[in-house]
Amino acid sequence: EDQVTQSPEALRLQEGESSSLNCSYTVSGLRGLFWYRQDPGKGPEFLFTLYSAGEEKEKERLKATLTKKESFLHITAPKPEDSATYLCAVQARSSNTGKLIFGQGTTLQVKP
Amino acid sequence: GAVVSQHPSRVICKSGTSVKIECRSLDFQATTMFWYRQFPKQSLMLMATSNEGSKATYEQGVEKDKFLINHASLTLSTLTVTSAHPEDSSFYICSARDRAGLGAYEQYFGPGTRLTVT
Repeated sequence: EDQVTQSPEALRLQEGESSSLNCSYTVSGLRGLFWYRQDPGKGPEFLFTLYSAGEEKEKERLKATLTKKESFLHITAPKPEDSATYLCAVQARSSNTGKLIFGQGTTLQVKP
Repeated sequence: GAVVSQHPSRVICKSGTSVKIECRSLDFQATTMFWYRQFPKQSLMLMATSNEGSKATYEQGVEKDKFLINHASLTLSTLTVTSAHPEDSSFYICSARDRAGLGAYEQYFGPGTRLTVT
């Protein structure tokens, strides 16, 4: 069964304190792994797509990496505005509709 | 680019009435749209996959007669919650699929609709 597990569930950081969020997955053939940011009361905002092991993508203070079993979202010198829930999702090659399988998310709080 | 809108953003309705939520892809054509439901502090739960011009595919446990989905055009899908009850109160989010990269289909999400049934 295709599955996504994110850890930790919640993370509190001081401003400037770098850290990483983990997304472990099992899928019968990965088409793509996606990272989204979701603010309270809003829809998820697309961040990255990763396709194959070894791939990395960056956007401002965020960097996403991918291995055959997991993905990391590294946050460098976070700011309070980075506080949000970060969602990881995978898309299986077997899905012809592009269905996403989501993890439970990591809620990040960055304190000034 | 890749903007998805939803209307309304908030709706309050009385028990037993029906409510329609619209999802539009503003700057791209979406052959496939998805409808999710999200409970407080939980992740997104896929309700159904909507394909333009054909019947929606519902996930296990989702009542197709209660949650009516219509995908009439490449830019519009609607979700109608029929005979709503308080337990249908939730945050409903749609997404639209856009093709990208090496064949992975990126989904872009709308801002969500908060439904409250009194």
